[in-house]
Amino acid sequence: GAVVSQHPSWVICKSGTSVKIECRSLDFQATTMFWYRQFPKQSLMLMATSNEGSKATYEQGVEKDKFLINHASLTLSTLTVTSAHPEDSSFYICSVSRGGSDNEQFFGPGTRLTVL
Amino acid sequence: QKEVEQNSGPLSVPEGAIASLNCTYSDRGSQSFFWYRQYSGKSPELIMFIYSNGDKEDGRFTAQLNKASQYVSLLIRDSQPSDSATYLCAVRGPRGGGFKTIFGAGTRLFVKA
Repeated sequence: GAVVSQHPSWVICKSGTSVKIECRSLDFQATTMFWYRQFPKQSLMLMATSNEGSKATYEQGVEKDKFLINHASLTLSTLTVTSAHPEDSSFYICSVSRGGSDNEQFFGPGTRLTVL
Repeated sequence: QKEVEQNSGPLSVPEGAIASLNCTYSDRGSQSFFWYRQYSGKSPELIMFIYSNGDKEDGRFTAQLNKASQYVSLLIRDSQPSDSATYLCAVRGPRGGGFKTIFGAGTRLFVKA
């Protein structure tokens, strides 16, 4: 498998503030990381694919100016939720893949964001 | 039609029984199929993956794939209360689709002691 960490594990913020979530691949260099969002009792929704050294690829309907993704190194990707609002409250999870056509994804522990 | 469909459940089975979880997918070109387990409030963890038609066994878990029917299932033998969780089926698409992985909504499994 792969070891993935996320920080923070939970965060509570006021509406209008920005929140940064870090995702680290601890045991291999990940050229690609994925960011998901999961609302209660719903499935994982892919937000964007983070590529090291290049711009992230966002899924349809995800605002790239609101959810800023930076993948500056092979072991770190960050997701910044800008001007957060209560509707952004969710469980944000990153994952890494070793690459190729068949490889499975390994998930970080997730970050619970609550916007008041 | 959803790309990956699962019965939301809950599926309730007694301890020691076989739990059968099913998943259908719409993209016939899909290449890789995964089962993840997600406990409440936690992130998903990989249980099994399968690429070829047929059965693949790993301990108490057996994944079954039928590409002609676009159907993948997960059998859990000797179910334990600790198996109670939501099981997510994930399907990785073909190269033409960018190898995108699509997740089903999950099936909640409850194993009664």
